Amino acid sequence: GENVEQHPSTLSVQEGDSAVIKCTYSDSASNYFPWYKQELGKGPQLIIDIRSNVGEKKDQRIAVTLNKTAKHFSLHITETQPEDSAVYFCAASADTPLVFGKGTRLSVIA
Amino acid sequence: DAGVIQSPRHEVTEMGQEVTLRCKPISGHNSLFWYRQTMMRGLELLIYFNNNVPIDDSGMPEDRFSAKMPNASFSTLKIQPSEPRDSAVYFCASSSATRGYEQYFGPGTRLTVT
Repeated sequence: GENVEQHPSTLSVQEGDSAVIKCTYSDSASNYFPWYKQELGKGPQLIIDIRSNVGEKKDQRIAVTLNKTAKHFSLHITETQPEDSAVYFCAASADTPLVFGKGTRLSVIA
Repeated sequence: DAGVIQSPRHEVTEMGQEVTLRCKPISGHNSLFWYRQTMMRGLELLIYFNNNVPIDDSGMPEDRFSAKMPNASFSTLKIQPSEPRDSAVYFCASSSATRGYEQYFGPGTRLTVT
């Protein structure tokens, strides 16, 4: 089955800097790659996703890139703000339930 | 849309007691997922349903855990008897095949078993 590895597990950046979180997956059949943001005491919230027919997708300050050959995808957050501090999860799916990475705790230092 | 609704938000119970967690998926969604989140194991899929039918329950840790979905708008996750190691946050999520399998999570139920 699918296995998703996520790095780093923790990340601290200065406000205004960029943050990058990387994930790798094992199942070449996976075709859907969402990213979730989880704030303290809340459920994971879908923030952006990408499908295997595109290589990059952008939504304001966040972007996701996908490299199907290497089986990895990344989340990029630019101009980070304190409210970006949260745990971020990547996931992968091949028309089956999502398989999640272990999460990255992002701290944006003001 | 109200989103996925879970109840209760917090549950504290004693070991050996029965616990029932409830979930109302987003209207029109045909898939429902139950997850458990702990610091040690992260986010684990327990069971999921398509069109009210359980598809994969391989993530259910023991026979003490059971889940039902009697109709498209309601599901329960039951633990009987509960044990301290069941303490975790339990999330319900729903999705629709017609909307690209985007999965939406509820706010979770924090379960503490003493």
